[in-house]
Amino acid sequence: DVKVTQSSRYLVKRTGEKVFLECVQDMDHENMFWYRQDPGLGLRLIYFSYDVKMKEKGDIPEGYSVSREKKERFSLILESASTNQTSMYLCASKSGGDTGELFFGEGSRLTVL
Amino acid sequence: AQKITQTQPGMFVQEKEAVTLDCTYDTSDPSYGLFWYKQPSSGEMIFLIYQGSYDQQNATEGRYSLNFQKARKSANLVISASQLGDSAMYFCAMRGRGGSNYKLTFGKGTLLTVNP
Repeated sequence: DVKVTQSSRYLVKRTGEKVFLECVQDMDHENMFWYRQDPGLGLRLIYFSYDVKMKEKGDIPEGYSVSREKKERFSLILESASTNQTSMYLCASKSGGDTGELFFGEGSRLTVL
Repeated sequence: AQKITQTQPGMFVQEKEAVTLDCTYDTSDPSYGLFWYKQPSSGEMIFLIYQGSYDQQNATEGRYSLNFQKARKSANLVISASQLGDSAMYFCAMRGRGGSNYKLTFGKGTLLTVNP
């Protein structure tokens, strides 16, 4: 079975803290993605990566950075968390090429106080 | 730029009836793919169905079918014989080629409630 694992289901952080959200996939996929999901707004793409050490900004990259040092791992970093970054964060991966769906992790619900 | 529009924030359907969830899209890419995902209250995203822009036939997967009307830029999901377990949020998504080859853009979702 394919698997995308997000390290934390629930996190509570304070404003200004540095936050790391980790995502690991075991499918040898080239492409990995970070989305945030907010009620009424659907899923919005923060960053994605199509290869090790390669990354591209999505639609809402401000306040976030990412790291992909190994193919299976894609990390989302909030350098200085703010309350408006309270959200559900979803990691996904996909094989290379034009076809194939995204496989999602279970999500990480982050609350910033 | 790609855009996905789901105009129905919520839908209700009686068990065993069919329901159509609307999705329209906008893209300048000549080749693209359209997806539907289901998100139950537990939160996981479940892939349902895929339609390529050059596919001649509408995609079907069990009780799910995609009513693809390319000229109208619509990709509606049809669920036949609704079941209580179909109650969930449904998202339409589009993948474009070229510079956005690896990017999926999602709509805001439709919350489907199946009544007994």
